[in-house]
Amino acid sequence: DGGITQSPKYLFRKEGQNVTLSCEQNLNHDAMYWYRQDPGQGLRLIYYSQIVNDFQKGDIAEGYSVSREKKESFPLTVTSAQKNPTAFYLCASRIVGSGNTIYFGEGSWLTVV
Amino acid sequence: DAKTTQPTSMDCAEGRAANLPCNHSTISGNEYVYWYRQIHSQGPQYIIHGLKNNETNEMASLIITEDRKSSTLILPHATLRDTAVYYCIVRVAAGTASKLTFGTGTRLQVTL
Repeated sequence: DGGITQSPKYLFRKEGQNVTLSCEQNLNHDAMYWYRQDPGQGLRLIYYSQIVNDFQKGDIAEGYSVSREKKESFPLTVTSAQKNPTAFYLCASRIVGSGNTIYFGEGSWLTVV
Repeated sequence: DAKTTQPTSMDCAEGRAANLPCNHSTISGNEYVYWYRQIHSQGPQYIIHGLKNNETNEMASLIITEDRKSSTLILPHATLRDTAVYYCIVRVAAGTASKLTFGTGTRLQVTL
């Protein structure tokens, strides 16, 4: 089935360590997005990308990095510079063009211990 | 950037219509309004979207005002399973990519 796969679902990290969250889609979508969600809060945009090898910072990019080497993949690295990384992370994608529906993955829970 | 505002929470009796408002007063003429909902911190689920005309599908109806500065999502017969956080999104074009900005979300509680 086509869709967006995020992995791992749950991840624990020690302070000071970098961690990479995977996002893969087989929908042939051009644009991909990463959001962060804190408990009881809305979604905040971290990074987004419309084409391979190009991406833009969202509203809360500090302490995060991304790459877009392949159309189907948009991994997010949470670096040690991110002060409060414990959160729920959501990846999304869509075909570029007005009105195209956005699809979300099931999310990844990151806990810093 | 166009921003959206939604009430923080709403209640609705099961079987009644749930009407969820969203303000997007700075929306541009070619920007769409999307509605999603999120249950128990799962990935948000697409509900409906529109540009200027009212839209209806098997899940809901979307009413957009003539000036496009606000919209209302209508769940015609709410059930307990409709309890969720509902997000109104306006697609914003920024630079080389389109930025998706979420509203504050409305927590809808459907009760017996």
